[in-house]
Amino acid sequence: AQSVTQPDIHITVSEGASLELRCNYSYGATPYLFWYVQSPGQGLQLLLKYFSGDTLVQGIKGFEAEFKRSQSSFNLRKPSVHWSDAAEYFCAVGAYSGNTPLVFGKGTRLSVIA
Amino acid sequence: GAGVSQTPSNKVTEKGKYVELRCDPISGHTALYWYRQSLGQGPEFLIYFQGTGAADDSGLPNDRFFAVRPEGSVSTLKIQRTERGDSAVYLCASSSQDRGRETQYFGPGTRLLVL
Repeated sequence: AQSVTQPDIHITVSEGASLELRCNYSYGATPYLFWYVQSPGQGLQLLLKYFSGDTLVQGIKGFEAEFKRSQSSFNLRKPSVHWSDAAEYFCAVGAYSGNTPLVFGKGTRLSVIA
Repeated sequence: GAGVSQTPSNKVTEKGKYVELRCDPISGHTALYWYRQSLGQGPEFLIYFQGTGAADDSGLPNDRFFAVRPEGSVSTLKIQRTERGDSAVYLCASSSQDRGRETQYFGPGTRLLVL
């Protein structure tokens, strides 16, 4: 069965510090991988996605993620966090082809302190 | 252009009542998904439409839930005899494909509270 694990429920970082949010997946086929961000009371905004090719993908708002097949991981990173990055972050996996539902992790809540 | 829109943004109802939640997808997107997000959880799949037909409804929790998309655009999620456990955020997404690779774009959600 497909699953996504985000081991950190809540992370607090200082503004300007670097950030890494972890994501591990289990998927029977070649996966598509996504990171979405959700601000309080808002829907999900797509940060970035990995389909194939270069394993380091760039997204919006200065985020990047690296796909590591050997570790079944797709960790999200940002070199310098801004206060506006405080939100809930979700990793999701989908099938490599066609239309399929996404399977989401439980999310990591990011708090940013001054 | 316009994104996915959902109405109402909030809905409060009483146990046992019937509710309808509406989703207006991005123009031209043929695939439409409904997800449910409970407090502190990630979204969970409910049902998916390709055009007018439900291609996969395996995520619907029971027969109180059903959804329609009669003209292949707007979709309505219908919940009969609501229960307190139905309280959640209901998210809709529509998707585009690029060379067979799908990206889903989400609406702001409808927050349903069943008293």
